[in-house]
Amino acid sequence: QKEVEQNSGPLSVPEGAIASLNCTYSDRGSQSFFWYRQYSGKSPELIMSIYSNGDKEDGRFTAQLNKASQYVSLLIRDSQPSDSATYLCAVKAYSSASKIIFGSGTRLSIRP
Amino acid sequence: SAVISQKPSRDICQRGTSLTIQCQVDSQVTMMFWYRQQPGQSLTLIATANQGSEATYESGFVIDKFPISRPNLTFSTLTVSNMSPEDSSIYLCSVPGSTTGITSGYTFGSGTRLTVV
Repeated sequence: QKEVEQNSGPLSVPEGAIASLNCTYSDRGSQSFFWYRQYSGKSPELIMSIYSNGDKEDGRFTAQLNKASQYVSLLIRDSQPSDSATYLCAVKAYSSASKIIFGSGTRLSIRP
Repeated sequence: SAVISQKPSRDICQRGTSLTIQCQVDSQVTMMFWYRQQPGQSLTLIATANQGSEATYESGFVIDKFPISRPNLTFSTLTVSNMSPEDSSIYLCSVPGSTTGITSGYTFGSGTRLTVV
């Protein structure tokens, strides 16, 4: 079982709709969870972090965490063509305080 | 937030040769991380570079193949040794901090796109 799992996509969403990206993780003791956005040919950029169960909102982005289900999600409201990118879920490993494990990423395409 | 300068941005190398990648950070950081991202894949941690001690390598990565230097708290190098086409990948360094105002998580350098022929 992979440590961090994501659906590779591509996920196609019409412009203006809500894009929903999902991620599961295997280490029940994980403490910190991140979403990175990576445009083609660019390095990953951190867009959201979440540490507690529930929702965390930042602009058009909402991260959701459910530790009991070992599930993290990212919602993008009012999707724009500029949101088209690969979204990487990342988890900070409990066994090593500073190491981050990445999922394989979900490719998101926003169609006009 | 830390700003990372990584170079070279890309290189094409002959098999059997070595390439050294450099990362310079504009502030002192305790740990630096080296990742590899193979075509169409996610990021895999190669090693954690600690100042003043040997790097800590992840399973599947060895010092002879990927020697790392960390001479001070703002600089690190990763060497890809005795390269083969399978080493063709993007190599990224990373440090704690973010350029987007999120104080947790890590910032990445711009990456080095390596092609081995």
